[in-house]
Amino acid sequence: DSGVTQTPKHLITATGQRVTLRCSPRSGDLSVYWYQQSLDQGLQFLIQYYNGEERAKGNILERFSAQQFPDLHSELNLSSLELGDSALYFCASSVSGTVNQPQHFGDGTRLSIL
Amino acid sequence: EDQVTQSPEALRLQEGESSSLNCSYTVSGLRGLFWYRQDPGKGPEFLFTLYSAGEEKEKERLKATLTKKESFLHITAPKPEDSATYLCAVQARDTDKLIFGTGTRLQVFP
Repeated sequence: DSGVTQTPKHLITATGQRVTLRCSPRSGDLSVYWYQQSLDQGLQFLIQYYNGEERAKGNILERFSAQQFPDLHSELNLSSLELGDSALYFCASSVSGTVNQPQHFGDGTRLSIL
Repeated sequence: EDQVTQSPEALRLQEGESSSLNCSYTVSGLRGLFWYRQDPGKGPEFLFTLYSAGEEKEKERLKATLTKKESFLHITAPKPEDSATYLCAVQARDTDKLIFGTGTRLQVFP
């Protein structure tokens, strides 16, 4: 058990809809990262938050947004969903964003767009 | 552009048959190279971090090594429970994000 909790585990919805994925980091971790894993690509970095502030952005679509709350949990919001958004979405956390600490991953949310 | 390439894509081994997985990388200043194990339906599980060429780390039947251009994950006398996808990732000096390879899917048969 990595200590990172993601909910829900599975999400099935239709095109055009909006969903929210939730992540609770390990106790004491200040950085939260979101990654997308699709069948034809490896894990792709989306966005990082550190202690409530956005730290870095990857190839995150404008339809996607995220935030980190004062209790350090994070939410990834996906809107105007398209078939191609079907993927596994992973959250990871680390102690700090400034030192060489490994990122620990949750078990992901599997998003299926019908 | 920072990039990670893993080979082979898939590897089938008999129990006890040792082998190595390769991770080649190009990165603008390596801050760290990470190995993860991913089981079906699970998130990546952290195995090792390597920071500089020549460094080696071991854990049970796994040993990771690092050169300036690649890393190897050596698996000695593997067991069926070592079956998983092994992911390699690099972290560049000016960022915290991980850049992942597409992984090597390892199957160990009894």
